[in-house]
Amino acid sequence: AQSVTQLGSHVSVSEGALVLLRCNYSSSVPPYLFWYVQYPNQGLQLLLKYTSAATLVKGINGFEAEFKKSETSFHLTKPSAHMSDAAEYFCAIGFTGFQKLVFGTGTRLLVSP
Amino acid sequence: DTGVSQDPRHKITKRGQNVTFRCDPISEHNRLYWYRQTLGQGPEFLTYFQNEAQLEKSRLLSDRFSAERPKGSFSTLEIQRTEQGDSAMYLCASSPTGQETQYFGPGTRLLVL
Repeated sequence: AQSVTQLGSHVSVSEGALVLLRCNYSSSVPPYLFWYVQYPNQGLQLLLKYTSAATLVKGINGFEAEFKKSETSFHLTKPSAHMSDAAEYFCAIGFTGFQKLVFGTGTRLLVSP
Repeated sequence: DTGVSQDPRHKITKRGQNVTFRCDPISEHNRLYWYRQTLGQGPEFLTYFQNEAQLEKSRLLSDRFSAERPKGSFSTLEIQRTEQGDSAMYLCASSPTGQETQYFGPGTRLLVL
C-alpha cells in the first residue's frame, strides 16, 4: 500500500534559518507527491507538487522540494524561515487516476524571532 | 474562481443528533472528495465523486455516514446519530478531470458533546 511518513511532528527554527521538513514515501507505482500547508482553523493550501517532470520542484512562498527516487524521499526546504511560515505542513501521495490522496501525519513548524 | 466553499464552518451538536454539511466545489470541477481530519492527524479519505456518481468509499464511512452529489455540483455529507468520536474537521476538495491537484475548502469543524 502507498503511504508517506513525515519524520518529526514538530520542527523549531529561528527566523532566517534553513527550513527542512522530511517526507519519505512508499509506493509500488510511480507516485505523485504533494506538500500542503495548513494554518490554524483553515483548510489546506497547495505549496508544490511532483508529477514526474522535474525532480526539483519550486512552490509558493519560497519553498522547494526534491524528489529522490533512490531515497524514496520528497523533503521540503526553504532557505530562510519567516515568522509567517509557522503552520502545519502535510506531505501527501497520489496515484494514477487521482481518486484520493494519502496524507502523512503532519509536521508543525515553529519559527522563533 | 472563488475556491471551494463549505458550510457551516463550525457545528456543535449533541450526541445522537443528525448533522449535514455542504460543499460547493470550484466551478466545472468534475471530481469532489471528502476527507476527515482529527486532531494531530493528517486528513483521511472518506469518499469521492465523479460528477454525480459516488465511485469510492472508505471503510471509515460507516453506515451512519452518507454523501450525495445529486446534480454533479454541490455535495452534502450527512452524519446520523452522531457520536463523540465523530468530532473532527471535515474537509472537501475538488479537482478537474485529468488533473492531479486537489483544491481544498476551509473545512467544517464538528464538535459532538
